[in-house]
Amino acid sequence: DSGVTQTPKHLITATGQRVTLRCSPRSGDLSVYWYQQSLDQGLQFLIQYYNGEERAKGNILERFSAQQFPDLHSELNLSSLELGDSALYFCASSVGRGVLQETQYFGPGTRLLVL
Amino acid sequence: AQSVTQPDIHITVSEGASLELRCNYSYGATPYLFWYVQSPGQGLQLLLKYFSGDTLVQGIKGFEAEFKRSQSSFNLRKPSVHWSDAAEYFCAVGAWGYSTLTFGKGTMLLVSP
Repeated sequence: DSGVTQTPKHLITATGQRVTLRCSPRSGDLSVYWYQQSLDQGLQFLIQYYNGEERAKGNILERFSAQQFPDLHSELNLSSLELGDSALYFCASSVGRGVLQETQYFGPGTRLLVL
Repeated sequence: AQSVTQPDIHITVSEGASLELRCNYSYGATPYLFWYVQSPGQGLQLLLKYFSGDTLVQGIKGFEAEFKRSQSSFNLRKPSVHWSDAAEYFCAVGAWGYSTLTFGKGTMLLVSP
């Protein structure tokens, strides 16, 4: 158990809908990262927040957005969902602003299926 | 931009046999290299990482990896595989000054009795 929690574990929805994925980092960790894992694209970094502020951005679509709240939990919002958004979404956390020397601890993921 | 290639999609190894998983990276400067393991239904767990110094890195669960700059490789090894090692293994590269990682597509390890 990494200490990172994600809800829900599974999510089934329809095309065009909007969903919110939630992540609680390990106690004391200030950075939260979101990753998407799909069969064709593999594991891709989406976005990082540090202490409430966006710190790094990867291959995140404009239909996707994220935020980190004062209690440091984070939410990833996916809108106008398409079939290709079906994937496993991971959240990770690290203790500081996210330099590579810090270990990222991954949650168990949320599996999203868009029908 | 950096990239990672894991040439083997899956590998089958007999329990007790040695293991080597291949990873090749592309990056212009000195890379930061990582190996993660993903067990079924679990998130990723860091096995080991290389930043600088000794090119042979020891990790958890008896794994080690060797950084070879001349071959742009960072192969993962274990002398004797256990059935519990069956999982998917990801190699990743990072760049100094940035917090993001680029992952390979992963290698699925199957362990036969």
